[in-house]
Amino acid sequence: GIQVEQSPPDLILQEGANSTLRCNFSDSVNNLQWFHQNPWGQLINLFYIPSGTKQNGRLSATTVATERYSLLYISSSQTTDSGVYFCAVGTTDSWGKLQFGAGTQVVVTP
Amino acid sequence: DGGITQSPKYLFRKEGQNVTLSCEQNLNHDAMYWYRQDPGQGLRLIYYSQIVNDFQKGDIAEGYSVSREKKESFPLTVTSAQKNPTAFYLCASSIYRGGSNQPQHFGDGTRLSIL
Repeated sequence: GIQVEQSPPDLILQEGANSTLRCNFSDSVNNLQWFHQNPWGQLINLFYIPSGTKQNGRLSATTVATERYSLLYISSSQTTDSGVYFCAVGTTDSWGKLQFGAGTQVVVTP
Repeated sequence: DGGITQSPKYLFRKEGQNVTLSCEQNLNHDAMYWYRQDPGQGLRLIYYSQIVNDFQKGDIAEGYSVSREKKESFPLTVTSAQKNPTAFYLCASSIYRGGSNQPQHFGDGTRLSIL
């Protein structure tokens, strides 16, 4: 099956800093989602981005499908950005199923 | 508001007992999914269903069972055969359009622990 690798595994930021999270995948995808899991376990949809670039406030994401990676940018980080960020992908033959990466644990300090 | 409701939020299981986790959605989505999350790890797929009365095993189906009698409901039973059931269980749903994958939306999860 498809492999999903996220980096870095852990990230500590000071409030106001910018950061980039990376997701590499081993095969062609037709679904890629970025999620934020907050400390209560809720999984929040950030982006549905199988290709191209999207922005939502201080967050933006870019997927370069031909090179098999996606980037999530966090600008002017806030303490509420803390949590785990997951990348998940689906392929043409996965019939809607998602394969998750191991996540990036982000801690934003005041 | 449309969404996915999982209940209960916390559940305790005794040895040898089956327990059922509820997942209901009012998004009119065709497909529904169950994932398991262990501490410090990503999500792994247990079962999924693309239409009513049909479901498929995911990567870690052993010790679990599901049913899909109604479009809006996809309950998960953790059987006594599941020897390590302590985990966080998340339900998701999506529109299903054949090979075109659509974004999945998640419920708030159920935390299951062994007594």
